[in-house]
Amino acid sequence: DADVTQTPRNRITKTGKRIMLECSQTKGHDRMYWYRQDPGLGLRLIYYSFDVKDINKGEISDGYSVSRQAQAKFSLSLESAIPNQTALYFCATSDPGLAVTDTQYFGPGTRLTVL
Amino acid sequence: AQSVSQHNHHVILSEAASLELGCNYSYGGTVNLFWYVQYPGQHLQLLLKYFSGDPLVKGIKGFEAEFIKSKFSFNLRKPSVQWSDTAEYFCAVGMDDYKLSFGAGTTVTVRA
Repeated sequence: DADVTQTPRNRITKTGKRIMLECSQTKGHDRMYWYRQDPGLGLRLIYYSFDVKDINKGEISDGYSVSRQAQAKFSLSLESAIPNQTALYFCATSDPGLAVTDTQYFGPGTRLTVL
Repeated sequence: AQSVSQHNHHVILSEAASLELGCNYSYGGTVNLFWYVQYPGQHLQLLLKYFSGDPLVKGIKGFEAEFIKSKFSFNLRKPSVQWSDTAEYFCAVGMDDYKLSFGAGTTVTVRA
């Protein structure tokens, strides 16, 4: 969905390097999420934010940090990358509306390889 | 612990065959249920969702899913698949904590 963009789309880096993955959205949604996808494990939530002042850890936040710079921007950082952080990373947004959890809209993903 | 289980990791079938993918969750409260699809090289897209009302929901591309509350299940079906249905399918469950929990995914390969 072009409304949710991620940069870079692909990145190869070395162990110990600091990496930032960026997500921008034009959907006007307050809620934003970062997931990683690994084969056989599905998507696992790293961090989520329900508004600019709200940041929450997901199930696998160790080794990651985030920054919500604006309603439209949510960045994920790997402070010191390690090989088991090699994965496909997705950003998503949602607008809760009347539902407890509403549809999430995903970006195209960033394929990160840590050597 | 809350969890979402998808029974099949990889399904291979021929065009025109029927497809059914199982999804079960373990949570006793109110849930919102989703099926997402990820075509090769693409991002996740919503196939269908259930919030309330008729437990049989219809989505895009001829897919449907049935919520059976007593079985904590939300199985996805399509009567006749096409080669273009080759993709990975994810069941996701939204619970009271405002987050989605995803199953591990099922890879579907449709042979022409």
